[in-house]
Amino acid sequence: RKEVEQDPGPFNVPEGATVAFNCTYSNSASQSFFWYRQDCRKEPKLLMSVYSSGNEDGRFTAQLNRASQYISLLIRDSKLSDSATYLCVVTSGNTPLVFGKGTRLSVIA
Amino acid sequence: NAGVTQTPKFRVLKTGQSMTLLCAQDMNHEYMYWYRQDPGMGLRLIHYSVGEGTTAKGEVPDGYNVSRLKKQNFLLGLESAAPSQTSVYFCASSDTYGYTFGSGTRLTVV
Repeated sequence: RKEVEQDPGPFNVPEGATVAFNCTYSNSASQSFFWYRQDCRKEPKLLMSVYSSGNEDGRFTAQLNRASQYISLLIRDSKLSDSATYLCVVTSGNTPLVFGKGTRLSVIA
Repeated sequence: NAGVTQTPKFRVLKTGQSMTLLCAQDMNHEYMYWYRQDPGMGLRLIHYSVGEGTTAKGEVPDGYNVSRLKKQNFLLGLESAAPSQTSVYFCASSDTYGYTFGSGTRLTVV
């Protein structure tokens, strides 16, 4: 079983839509959780960290459920500029980041 | 402020040739990493280093060697390139505040 699994893509949504991505992880020792964004042919960039209490950054909301080993990302009022691949990432303390395969989002005008 | 610089950005190799990818960081980070990314596969860890003079294997180390002789540099070597090593290679460095990635090296092995 892959350590981090994500929704298969692509997600094609109209501008203004709300879209949600899900991710599960298998290592119960995982301590830190992130969503990264990757544009085509570019390096991944940190979008936001994910906390058990949930956290919000503008139109983006991330949630973590440790009991279910489940992470989510909600994007409200989608913009064309949100089109990218979203990577779910986990780590256990000082171990290297482990990436999911990513979910591609296309926001359509 | 360069951050993480990868050299070269693009390369085409013939099967059996060797090459070295260079990663350089100017942030004094202890930790450095090499990942590869294939279509639909996400980023997979090849090797990493927790400090000068140390290296460790990641998820997909076969066919690669690494060296960290200086803190700021992390080298990834391919001794005998194979078509299966066609990929995009990302280097990263990290501290307690997070990771910084290089812009990637696109390698094609024909």
